[in-house]
Amino acid sequence: DGGITQSPKYLFRKEGQNVTLSCEQNLNHDAMYWYRQDPGQGLRLIYYSQIVNDFQKGDIAEGYSVSREKKESFPLTVTSAQKNPTAFYLCASGQGLYEQYFGPGTRLTVT
Amino acid sequence: AQKITQTQPGMFVQEKEAVTLDCTYDTSDQSYGLFWYKQPSSGEMIFLIYQGSYDEQNATEGRYSLNFQKARKSANLVISASQLGDSAMYFCAMRGMDSNYQLIWGAGTKLIIKP
Repeated sequence: DGGITQSPKYLFRKEGQNVTLSCEQNLNHDAMYWYRQDPGQGLRLIYYSQIVNDFQKGDIAEGYSVSREKKESFPLTVTSAQKNPTAFYLCASGQGLYEQYFGPGTRLTVT
Repeated sequence: AQKITQTQPGMFVQEKEAVTLDCTYDTSDQSYGLFWYKQPSSGEMIFLIYQGSYDEQNATEGRYSLNFQKARKSANLVISASQLGDSAMYFCAMRGMDSNYQLIWGAGTKLIIKP
């Protein structure tokens, strides 16, 4: 089945540790996106990539890093520099100007 | 700058009734797209419907329709014959040149369908 997978669904980390969230798509989409969602809030764009080996910062990129070495994969690293990393993280992919399709999300808790 | 406004933080609707979720937008682009997504309590974002700014007809997808009023800059989502499974957060989003073609999101409306 075509779609977007994110793993793990729940992730717990200690403060000061870096953590990498996985996102894979088999929709053959060129563009991929990472969003953060806090409770009761809308989505905020962290990073996006429109082509392999290229990515741009979104509205809240500080404390995050990404890579795009393959078309199918767009992992997000939450670094220890991120002041408030506990949140719900959503990955999406899309083609052209049309809709984005989302993965199931990863709930990250940092204590 | 582009902006999406959803003025209804929450709504209660009786099952089987129609419901309208409000969305207004602000853009200076001539060409843009408007999207609605549903987010159930499980968290995934589900694409519902798309309307292009040059589309003359309102978009429809099953029980979902988009009431597009370009002059008023509104793009309300209408759900006909609501069902219990429609209870979720609903987000309106826009894409246009001003935002470098990224999606601009509204704050969402929490819809609860009462049996």
